[in-house]
Amino acid sequence: DVVMTQSPDSLVVSLGERATINCKSSQSLLYSSNNKNYLAWYQQKPGQPPRLLIYWASTRESAVPDRFSASGSGTDFTLTISSLQAEDVAVYYCQQYYRSPYTFGQGTRVEIK
Amino acid sequence: QLIQSGTEVRKPGATVKIACKVSGYTFSAYYIHWIQQAPGKGLEWVGLVDPEDGETIYTEKFRGRVTMTADTSTDTAYMELSNLRSADTAVYYCAAARAEQGFSFWGQGTLVTVSS
Repeated sequence: DVVMTQSPDSLVVSLGERATINCKSSQSLLYSSNNKNYLAWYQQKPGQPPRLLIYWASTRESAVPDRFSASGSGTDFTLTISSLQAEDVAVYYCQQYYRSPYTFGQGTRVEIK
Repeated sequence: QLIQSGTEVRKPGATVKIACKVSGYTFSAYYIHWIQQAPGKGLEWVGLVDPEDGETIYTEKFRGRVTMTADTSTDTAYMELSNLRSADTAVYYCAAARAEQGFSFWGQGTLVTVSS
């Protein structure tokens, strides 16, 4: 199975400051035939289902604010919230959908300082 | 767009079947995935069903106890989990995956509690 490891486990950031979450996969998620990384990012607020933020490692889902951006390729990926807002308090998960089982990272909790 | 059935309580050894009703898109267009979230824990992928042909893939942890089906006459996907144990207590989500673009749409979740 592809193991997804996020860092840090939790993050405390001031309003308006940058938040950065890292995700590392145990195998490359780059599909050579189309040069796409099969990596997604999700946001989950308490009591709610996860929400897709990013797919193909860096493509923002429709209606996702542009303060959310993501990058990376192969085995190392990053999600950045450029200016943290109160409504961004949540747990963030990366997920690989390169091959089944489609594993998730353990999650990173983002809180306001 | 994905509406799940309600909370379930079962005794150990019993079986539960959760429904996921789809609306707003062509049911057969997207795979339906099922994801487990134990209390206070992260997300664990359970498996998927292709509504077009009924093909399924299950993760090894649940293989032999889980059955996923899709009814195209009612645009509803189902996950049945048998021989329940306390460790199965969790919220189960269904999610629809657009082709190679992650899990785009999620159900609201169904809490399954296994307790004697």
